[in-house]
Amino acid sequence: DVKVTQSSRYLVKRTGEKVFLECVQDMDHENMFWYRQDPGLGLRLIYFSYDVKMKEKGDIPEGYSVSREKKERFSLILESASTNQTSMYLCASTTQGNYGYTFGSGTRLTVV
Amino acid sequence: QQQVKQSPQSLIVQKGGISIINCAYENTAFDYFPWYQQFPGKGPALLIAIRPDVSEKKEGRFTISFNKSAKQFSLHIMDSQPGDSATYFCAASNQGGSEKLVFGKGTKLTVNP
Repeated sequence: DVKVTQSSRYLVKRTGEKVFLECVQDMDHENMFWYRQDPGLGLRLIYFSYDVKMKEKGDIPEGYSVSREKKERFSLILESASTNQTSMYLCASTTQGNYGYTFGSGTRLTVV
Repeated sequence: QQQVKQSPQSLIVQKGGISIINCAYENTAFDYFPWYQQFPGKGPALLIAIRPDVSEKKEGRFTISFNKSAKQFSLHIMDSQPGDSATYFCAASNQGGSEKLVFGKGTKLTVNP
């Protein structure tokens, strides 16, 4: 069974902390994505990556960065967490030319 | 231009009824329209998808209707069941561009027994 695994289901962090959200896929997918999900706002794209060491900004990249050193792993970094980054974060992956995303189960981040 | 507008925000249907969720888009370059289903505590999962060369696609109780001239598409769930209770997202993409999807804001469906 193919999988996208997000390392934490729940995280609580303090304002100003540097936060790492990890995502690993075992399907050898080229494309990986980070979305945040907020009630009434749907899924909004933060960053995506088409290949190792490659990244592109999505619709709401401010306050975030990403790292993709290996094909299977895509990390989302909150350089200095703020309370408005409290949200559900979803990682997804897909192979080239395929628009059927496989999502992880999400990480619910609370910044206090 | 990049938006996908989804309605209603929430929907309550009786068991056995028909659930209908609507989406509209502006970008005429969009050419792939999937629907995702999300249960509480889970990530969204691809449910069904359509390309604009057909007006309807059916998979079991789930049907996508597509109206290219109106730039609208909808999901119909026939004989709705309590197990269909979930949040549904429509999305769109320009396959000539990237594998990036633009999502609607979601519809929370509740099917009462």
